[in-house]
Amino acid sequence: NAGVTQTPKFRILKIGQSMTLQCTQDMNHNYMYWYRQDPGMGLKLIYYSVGAGITDKGEVPNGYNVSRSTTEDFPLRLELAAPSQTSVYFCASRMTSGTISYNEQFFGPGTRLTVL
Amino acid sequence: RKEVEQDPGPFNVPEGATVAFNCTYSNSASQSFFWYRQDCRKEPKLLMSVYSSGNEDGRFTAQLNRASQYISLLIRDSKLSDSATYLCVVMGGYNKLIFGAGTRLAVHP
Repeated sequence: NAGVTQTPKFRILKIGQSMTLQCTQDMNHNYMYWYRQDPGMGLKLIYYSVGAGITDKGEVPNGYNVSRSTTEDFPLRLELAAPSQTSVYFCASRMTSGTISYNEQFFGPGTRLTVL
Repeated sequence: RKEVEQDPGPFNVPEGATVAFNCTYSNSASQSFFWYRQDCRKEPKLLMSVYSSGNEDGRFTAQLNRASQYISLLIRDSKLSDSATYLCVVMGGYNKLIFGAGTRLAVHP
């Protein structure tokens, strides 16, 4: 299994540009998450999804959108990039099985985004 | 007050030393607690869960004090490979993880 993969690894955007950060997991996990990590800070939750077709806002959703059309994919969309969105973005997934909820979240390698 | 607070460090220790990290959390209703490890410019990875009775995994010991809303991580016999940032993590509503900013550890020869 490849686990959680993210593309691109690095990206530089100009203010006002848009882009989609891709996230794919091949572990058949129901739950998926998007976090951002600013320098010297903890990870902050942007959006999460408990299954295909279901998404919800996290702590810092402004300026972002998500969709979850399949179990495997959870893309994050930036519509109008701003310098405040310069950060490292991590996607994560977690398994549930029936009534059992496994706590460990598996993270992708991250996307380093700079907005100039 | 931050939901999860940690001393940012850095903790600079020699190989073989014992080092302890502390973490406090604000929500007394929190039920699940973890320590994640994050290497420089890499993704976080689960180090260990923290159980009420305390738990040990090799050189690592985690303790939870619910009354004081306090979590600790003890590393014995530090190795160079232990150098990393250690993230204290608390599970919030809807199984969302709340991360502390991390404590940086540097182990030197």
